[in-house]
Amino acid sequence: DADVTQTPRNRITKTGKRIMLECSQTKGHDRMYWYRQDPGLGLRLIYYSFDVKDINKGEISDGYSVSRQAQAKFSLSLESAIPNQTALYFCATSSASETQYFGPGTRLLVL
Amino acid sequence: QKEVEQDPGPLSVPEGAIVSLNCTYSNSAFQYFMWYRQYSRKGPELLMYTYSSGNKEDGRFTAQVDKSSKYISLFIRDSQPSDSATYLCAMRNNAGNMLTFGGGTRLMVKP
Repeated sequence: DADVTQTPRNRITKTGKRIMLECSQTKGHDRMYWYRQDPGLGLRLIYYSFDVKDINKGEISDGYSVSRQAQAKFSLSLESAIPNQTALYFCATSSASETQYFGPGTRLLVL
Repeated sequence: QKEVEQDPGPLSVPEGAIVSLNCTYSNSAFQYFMWYRQYSRKGPELLMYTYSSGNKEDGRFTAQVDKSSKYISLFIRDSQPSDSATYLCAMRNNAGNMLTFGGGTRLMVKP
């Protein structure tokens, strides 16, 4: 089984809809991250969490919110989706001393 | 100017060639340097992880860091079609796990 899983893997939604992307991990890591990837722009950090009670904004948090439901679960919400949020979304995890390990990604299309 | 610059490619080489992938950066506080490989429609996977300056070898892969020039490289010997992927460099300082990514270089190894 994969260490970091993301659901759904693909999602099509309409402008104005609220959607949630979910991430689970079995690596036992405290730290979890959400990124989006756009062609030519690499990976940009949306939000990160160093433990269950800790939530921090990343580089591009506007239009997004997150919830850390448990050590192993970190979800990303788009409150009112817009077309420029069409992208690949990745969850990642790490311990305090290691680098980050990524999930398989969610491909989101906002019409 | 981005903190981490990476030529997007694509870089096309024949099978068996030596490949050189590079990143330059501007933040002298970066101490840890990583290379991730990302296959199409997959999440990035950690390939190499180095600290400070010097070389690190793992099979056909060699990571090189030159902090004085703010320049890192990944060399792939005897390249294979299965090496065709996007290669992302990433780096961070001593303060935590926050990674700064390059935009990725797309590599194509032709049989």
